Amino acid sequence: GAVVSQHPSRVICKSGTSVKIECRSLDFQATTMFWYRQFPKKSLMLMATSNEGSKATYEQGVEKDKFLINHASLTLSTLTVTSAHPEDSSFYICSARPYQGAGNEQFFGPGTRLTVL
Amino acid sequence: SQQGEEDPQALSIQEGENATMNCSYKTSINNLQWYRQNSGRGLVHLILIRSNEREKHSGRLRVTLDTSKKSSSLLITASRAADTASYFCATEGTSGSRLTFGEGTQLTVNP
Repeated sequence: GAVVSQHPSRVICKSGTSVKIECRSLDFQATTMFWYRQFPKKSLMLMATSNEGSKATYEQGVEKDKFLINHASLTLSTLTVTSAHPEDSSFYICSARPYQGAGNEQFFGPGTRLTVL
Repeated sequence: SQQGEEDPQALSIQEGENATMNCSYKTSINNLQWYRQNSGRGLVHLILIRSNEREKHSGRLRVTLDTSKKSSSLLITASRAADTASYFCATEGTSGSRLTFGEGTQLTVNP
């Protein structure tokens, strides 16, 4: 089956630093990748939709200068949390939709736990 | 308010029993999907049901969709302790591929 990886799986950083999270589709090409944020015991909230070679589309209320998204290739999208603050601590999950998928399925990465001290 | 509400929020049952979770949504959809999430992990896709389908089966899973009531249910039969997880429904709207997730149901299956 289709596999999506995320790196790192867990990161702890100091307030004010920037953190980059990678999302890779390992065995398929993905024209579209999605970034979600999940608070403890809560649902996933879509942050942005990332299309290869173009600018990401951000959801209402998500600061694009705060959460920089780059989709440089058909297998890699990155999310950079700039000048991170404790309120940015969360579980970040990406998903990828195959370029030539059999349906509408999205494949999810294992998530990245970000803790900002 | 968020598209996709699930009930119950939490469900605790004994091994061998069936578990039923419900999901309601507000707008027109292309499809509805159910996902499973173990604590602190990513999501695992369970099943997708299209708007023109009414019922779908996969192993011990049975999903129904009632577009007139804008609701879906997920039934897990003969539950096992390993089924303990959070279950989310997600709808794909008619305007694109973005998914909107429900609040989730935390299922605990006691051995």
